[in-house]
Amino acid sequence: GQQLNQSPQSMFIQEGEDVSMNCTSSSIFNTWLWYKQDPGEGPVLLIALYKAGELTSNGRLTAQFGITRKDSFLNISASIPSDVGIYFCAGLYNYGQNFVFGPGTRLSVLP
Amino acid sequence: EAQVTQNPRYLITVTGKKLTVTCSQNMNHEYMSWYRQDPGLGLRQIYYSMNVEVTDKGDVPEGYKVSRKEKRNFPLILESPSPNQTSLYFCASSFSPGLGSSEQYFGPGTRLTVT
Repeated sequence: GQQLNQSPQSMFIQEGEDVSMNCTSSSIFNTWLWYKQDPGEGPVLLIALYKAGELTSNGRLTAQFGITRKDSFLNISASIPSDVGIYFCAGLYNYGQNFVFGPGTRLSVLP
Repeated sequence: EAQVTQNPRYLITVTGKKLTVTCSQNMNHEYMSWYRQDPGLGLRQIYYSMNVEVTDKGDVPEGYKVSRKEKRNFPLILESPSPNQTSLYFCASSFSPGLGSSEQYFGPGTRLTVT
């Protein structure tokens, strides 16, 4: 089936630093999504991307839909303690019926 | 309040004892889906439903059943649970993803342990 790879697996950063993570696949997707999961809760959608090359921001978060449609990037600027959590990318395929998630990037923010 | 609810939140059971995890949404969403989350593997789709009486397999359907008799409910059934089904389960709902509405709302999760 479809598979997504995320890097890095985990990262420790200082508060105030910028963060960059990415998601790659050998398959093409028409929609890329980025979610954040806090401990003990379900994932929450951060950004949705629908067009190749699209760059979309949501506050301090910026995500890009790669032009090959096989990758996507998420950047977080000026990190704060509440950014701690697991970030998942997801792709939509099969004419919009199926979602596949990456394994996640665990972010820790040190004060 | 718009939400997806799951019950129970925690369940410990024994191998072979049938169980059902309920999922309900109050947003009139057509699309509902079940996922399992295991360390290092992210979320994997078990089953999904595009609308009432329309269900289909995701990536890991073996050992699970679902039904969609009403728009708001999408129960997950384990007829004969096994230890490898120990996992964290999430239900999610959205308007039809294929129509450009891909924002899924997730429930709080059900942690299942099968001994």
